[in-house]
Amino acid sequence: ETGVTQTPRHLVMGMTNKKSLKCEQHLGHNAMYWYKQSAKKPLELMFVYNFKEQTENNSVPSRFSPECPNSSHLFLHLHTLQPEDSALYLCASSQEGGTLPKETQYFGPGTRLLVL
Amino acid sequence: AQKVTQAQTEISVVEKEDVTLDCVYETRDTTYYLFWYKQPPSGELVFLIRRNSFDEQNEISGRYSWNFQKSTSSFNFTITASQVVDSAVYFCALSEAETSGSRLTFGEGTQLTVNP
Repeated sequence: ETGVTQTPRHLVMGMTNKKSLKCEQHLGHNAMYWYKQSAKKPLELMFVYNFKEQTENNSVPSRFSPECPNSSHLFLHLHTLQPEDSALYLCASSQEGGTLPKETQYFGPGTRLLVL
Repeated sequence: AQKVTQAQTEISVVEKEDVTLDCVYETRDTTYYLFWYKQPPSGELVFLIRRNSFDEQNEISGRYSWNFQKSTSSFNFTITASQVVDSAVYFCALSEAETSGSRLTFGEGTQLTVNP
């Protein structure tokens, strides 16, 4: 599956910068997710959007601000980040019907973020 | 609470060897879903398989096979006749049916290196 795209693929930013990560899914799904993958740590779920509505915020600091204008696009706005926020940020999408079975999440290639 | 353990942090084999990646999970739900994903150096998580808790039939797909055993809470993944292109980080993940949305809990991953 290559139905989930992310831009940029690499990003270097200073702690005072503001930048945005973009995710687009071409699979007709209705749910989208942001994950953070740091070195030596399991993937961490950050946000979940279902039908454009945020259904989960996994205690993410406010310097990360998600936006989901429609079911195909998801943004992650970044401001005043810290060096420990350097990680691979992965976007995923799935088709959720609200009933069993749970649908498979398909992932994008990720954005490698370095905060200096 | 759900938990996934991949005890093997790194595995190194020589091409054409068979290799098994272990996955042990914990859940209180009677209905749940297990997944394996592959993450090559490019970063994208590639979906490999999804297994429902009520279907204990083992599955084979080409050189890949999966052994699901509820009695030991394990969902192991075997690659037969490994190839260099199999080198990647492999993640096992769990989703509970009772949890709203598709919350995936990932293991810490196993780095597989296949040497020529």
